[in-house]
Amino acid sequence: AQSVTQLDSQVPVFEEAPVELRCNYSSSVSVYLFWYVQYPNQGLQLLLKYLSGSTLVKGINGFEAEFNKSQTSFHLRKPSVHISDTAEYFCAVSPGGGGGADGLTFGKGTHLIIQP
Amino acid sequence: DAGITQSPRHKVTETGTPVTLRCHQTENHRYMYWYRQDPGHGLRLIHYSYGVKDTDKGEVSDGYSVSRSKTEDFLLTLESATSSQTSVYFCAISEPGGPYNEQFFGPGTRLTVL
Repeated sequence: AQSVTQLDSQVPVFEEAPVELRCNYSSSVSVYLFWYVQYPNQGLQLLLKYLSGSTLVKGINGFEAEFNKSQTSFHLRKPSVHISDTAEYFCAVSPGGGGGADGLTFGKGTHLIIQP
Repeated sequence: DAGITQSPRHKVTETGTPVTLRCHQTENHRYMYWYRQDPGHGLRLIHYSYGVKDTDKGEVSDGYSVSRSKTEDFLLTLESATSSQTSVYFCAISEPGGPYNEQFFGPGTRLTVL
């Protein structure tokens, strides 16, 4: 079984400042890792994913994340945030051996608040 | 955007009544999932399907049943709704082993059980 811990439930950041949203996971098998974003009253949209290969993953809207196997982390970063980045961000994991078929295990989410 | 629709989008019902939520996809993906989203819990898997008439339980399946008689439709039924089932329900689809290996989510159904 997997579990995901998002260490911050809320992160306030000033506009144009950098941000890091933290995610740690636990699993006894290899994993796929995902970050999803949810804007108010909308569904979830994939930001980026790590399946294999390069540990630095680039996604949409200028976000990137780094897979660190030794620290079992997959932190999300953006060098300069915009007011439109205000949203809920979810880290998720699935067993890698399942080929992506298994359901995702989600963290509880981090609310990113951009202050002008 | 992936072709996923959910109906209804909003529903208010009373305790003890049956409720069915529908997820419809036009992507011909093999796998379909139902999640519920609650504050402080993120999303949790209720049930999923890996083909027509093939379903399995997720983390929070008690009180829910599902059916899939066609590739494109996945139904979630609350046989006797309770207030603890007030939530936002999301459907997702995926095609494992395909080029994306990710889940695509529908717009959600907000269910209130009074």
